Amino acid sequence: AQSVAQPEDQVNVAEGNPLTVKCTYSVSGNPYLFWYVQYPNRGLQFLLKYITGDNLVKGSYGFEAEFNKSQTSFHLKKPSALVSDSALYFCAVRTTDSWGKLQFGAGTQVVVTP
Amino acid sequence: GAVVSQHPSWVICKSGTSVKIECRSLDFQATTMFWYRQFPKQSLMLMATSNEGSKATYEQGVEKDKFLINHASLTLSTLTVTSAHPEDSSFYICSANVGGRDTQYFGPGTRLTVL
Repeated sequence: AQSVAQPEDQVNVAEGNPLTVKCTYSVSGNPYLFWYVQYPNRGLQFLLKYITGDNLVKGSYGFEAEFNKSQTSFHLKKPSALVSDSALYFCAVRTTDSWGKLQFGAGTQVVVTP
Repeated sequence: GAVVSQHPSWVICKSGTSVKIECRSLDFQATTMFWYRQFPKQSLMLMATSNEGSKATYEQGVEKDKFLINHASLTLSTLTVTSAHPEDSSFYICSANVGGRDTQYFGPGTRLTVL
């Protein structure tokens, strides 16, 4: 069975500092990994995904993520955080069923202070 | 990009009534849509997978007769919460895959409050 873990409930960072949100996964076979962001009372917005290819994936709003197979990790990063990056971030892995269902992590609340 | 809409964005209803939530793919056709439920500050819980022209596939523990799903066209799926009770109050979110691609695009969500 596929699963993802986000070990941090909340990450606090000062504006302008690097931001990292951690995610580890457990899958059988090749992983399809995703990051989404959710603002209050809104749906999820797609940030980036890893399917195959380069381990460093660049996404929306200046975010990137690094796929590390040996550590089974897919951490989300941004070199310089903005106050507007404060939101709830979800890591997800696609299941192997034919419908493409996603298994989400518990989510990490990012708080960027001015 | 792919746009998914939901209607209504919020609804308040009395206990015992039924509420219908619509999910539409605006600029693409979606053979498969997904319905999620989210409690405050929690992750998304997949309720069911909605397939155009066929019955929905429900996750374990989700009551089929309470959460009726209809996917009548390639751009519309509906979730009807029947005989709603206060414990059904939640944030309901739908999503869709674009033409079989891997990425799911999400609607803005519907906040249901049952009094």
